[in-house]
Amino acid sequence: RKEVEQDPGPFNVPEGATVAFNCTYSNSASQSFFWYRQDCRKEPKLLMSVYSSGNEDGRFTAQLNRASQYISLLIRDSKLSDSATYLCVVTFNAGNNRKLIWGLGTSLAVNP
Amino acid sequence: DTGVSQDPRHKITKRGQNVTFRCDPISEHNRLYWYRQTLGQGPEFLTYFQNEAQLEKSRLLSDRFSAERPKGSFSTLEIQRTEQGDSAMYLCATTLWTDEAFFGQGTRLTVV
Repeated sequence: RKEVEQDPGPFNVPEGATVAFNCTYSNSASQSFFWYRQDCRKEPKLLMSVYSSGNEDGRFTAQLNRASQYISLLIRDSKLSDSATYLCVVTFNAGNNRKLIWGLGTSLAVNP
Repeated sequence: DTGVSQDPRHKITKRGQNVTFRCDPISEHNRLYWYRQTLGQGPEFLTYFQNEAQLEKSRLLSDRFSAERPKGSFSTLEIQRTEQGDSAMYLCATTLWTDEAFFGQGTRLTVV
């Protein structure tokens, strides 16, 4: 089983739709969780941290389910500008190393 | 600009040549990661520094790849005897004590 798994998509949704992505992780000792957004041929940029209590930023809501070992990202009222790849990252300690494990990303296309 | 800076942004080289990339982290960011990314894939871990110490190197990385971070500030990634399969985006990311990773704009390498 991969350490971090995402459905690669693509997710094709109309403007205004609500879309949700999940990201599962295998290491129960994982400590921090993040969602990043990556536009084509650009670097990933932090979208949201994911806290145990969940967090919301405008149209975006992120949640963590430690029991089932997944994080989710919900996008409401999708905009054309939301079209991008969404990457999840999970961190944990491995000896002296702070490991950041990245998913392969989920591609979202929001259509007019 | 106080973000992560990478140089050069683009590099075209002939197969068999050596190339070197540079990453200047955000000031005081003690952890520095190098990643490689090809189209449609998530960032693939190459190596990791905490201050000047190289704590981990990917087992997938051949001995043609070497990285340094001599004073715990900027880092260099060198690829010797480049091959066409080395063509990719090379990303540098840095973090402080939190795990929020900030990326440079990457160096796009094309080996012809």
